[in-house]
Amino acid sequence: DTAVSQTPKYLVTQMGNDKSIKCEQNLGHDTMYWYKQDSKKFLKIMFSYNNKELIINETVPNRFSPKSPDKAHLNLHINSLELGDSAVYFCASSRDATTGANVLTFGAGSRLTVL
Amino acid sequence: AQSVTQPDIHITVSEGASLELRCNYSYGATPYLFWYVQSPGQGLQLLLKYFSGDTLVQGIKGFEAEFKRSQSSFNLRKPSVHWSDAAEYFCAVGPLGGGGNKLTFGTGTQLKVEL
Repeated sequence: DTAVSQTPKYLVTQMGNDKSIKCEQNLGHDTMYWYKQDSKKFLKIMFSYNNKELIINETVPNRFSPKSPDKAHLNLHINSLELGDSAVYFCASSRDATTGANVLTFGAGSRLTVL
Repeated sequence: AQSVTQPDIHITVSEGASLELRCNYSYGATPYLFWYVQSPGQGLQLLLKYFSGDTLVQGIKGFEAEFKRSQSSFNLRKPSVHWSDAAEYFCAVGPLGGGGNKLTFGTGTQLKVEL
C-alpha cells in the first residue's frame, strides 16, 4: 500500500490548458507539501499545508492553486499552463510542521510536460 | 537564509570501490541534516538524518554520514558501492524552528557505478 500516492504519473498538455495533480497519504501525517523539480533536478518547495491550513506559500505564480480537502489529501491545480511549468512535481508528507526534525515521505512524482 | 552546497554534480565510481559525497551547509546554527536518494523515475527516499547526538549516523543500504560542525559539512559515505546505488543523491537541511518545516535541498550529485 503506497504511503504517498500521486496521480497522474505523467501529464502531457498544451500551453494555456488547466490541469490538476492529486495527492493522497495514508500515513496519518498532519503536514503535506508540494515540491517542484526542474530539468536540472533542483528541488524547491512550493506549498505546505498543516491540517488543511496553508502554512508555506513560496513565490509561486498565482496560476498555481493548492487545495487540501482534508489532511490526507493535497491537490495542485494549475491554470493557463506555460512552457516553464514543465517539471516533475512531488508531493510529500511529514508527521507535523512543528520543527525541522521531521522526515518527509515523498510520492513518486508527477511529470508534467507542456507543449 | 539557509543554503546547501553539493560541489560534485557527477561522480563515477567502480563497483566495490568506496564512495564519499560532499555536502556543505550554511545556517545560523546546527540545522537538521538529511540525505535523500532518488532512483530514476522514482521519488525521494530518506537514507539517513542527523538531529543531534553522535555525529556519525548510520542509514539504510550501508550508507553513513558524518556531521562536522567545524567544517559545516555532512558528507555521505559508503565503504563498497553496489551497481544498484547508481542514483541522484540530495543533501538537505531543515530549520530548527517550526513554521512549516521547509527543507532546503542541494543541487544533487549524480552517481554512476561502473561494473
